[in-house]
Amino acid sequence: SAVISQKPSRDICQRGTSLTIQCQVDSQVTMMFWYRQQPGQSLTLIATANQGSEATYESGFVIDKFPISRPNLTFSTLTVSNMSPEDSSIYLCSARTGGRAGELFFGEGSRLTVL
Amino acid sequence: QQQVKQSPQSLIVQKGGISIINCAYENTAFDYFPWYQQFPGKGPALLIAIRPDVSEKKEGRFTISFNKSAKQFSLHIMDSQPGDSATYFCAARGQAGTALIFGKGTTLSVSS
Repeated sequence: SAVISQKPSRDICQRGTSLTIQCQVDSQVTMMFWYRQQPGQSLTLIATANQGSEATYESGFVIDKFPISRPNLTFSTLTVSNMSPEDSSIYLCSARTGGRAGELFFGEGSRLTVL
Repeated sequence: QQQVKQSPQSLIVQKGGISIINCAYENTAFDYFPWYQQFPGKGPALLIAIRPDVSEKKEGRFTISFNKSAKQFSLHIMDSQPGDSATYFCAARGQAGTALIFGKGTTLSVSS
């Protein structure tokens, strides 16, 4: 298993600002992903965070809006840029252990409210 | 093709009863089917998972039944307890290395 720590756990942000969410895993992992979960909804994949290279984004998500870094095998950041109220959501970091076919674990999430 | 359809959206079960949540998929390339449990304010936690080479997997009170020909799988919670009240998500994954695709979730309430 893996313990995934995210911060901030929650924040209230002003429209037009940007916020960076940090994700730290307690062991080296092959793959890390960022998901968004709007209140009462399912999980939607934003992107795969690739170590040492640009993230792979899903349809509807772009790098300018959600820049992602992954400088090593245990850490990643997601920035939500130029926020609007529609960006109010829970952002979840996840990591896969045991190689490419391993299990996926999640952090506790970062709840963002944009005013 | 990439969707995982989950039902019901919500479920109320008496304590001690059996909770059953169903999921269906279209993509025959999916080869890994986990279930996650999420409590309010927490991240999803892996509950149990199955691969398509078996038809059933049991861990304690939780059982996954898998029907490959029907492209359906379900979660059964035996002897449901109030502490099981949570949102449950089914998911599926294609080839190794790809991300999970989640169903819309089922909110389970177990009444005492």
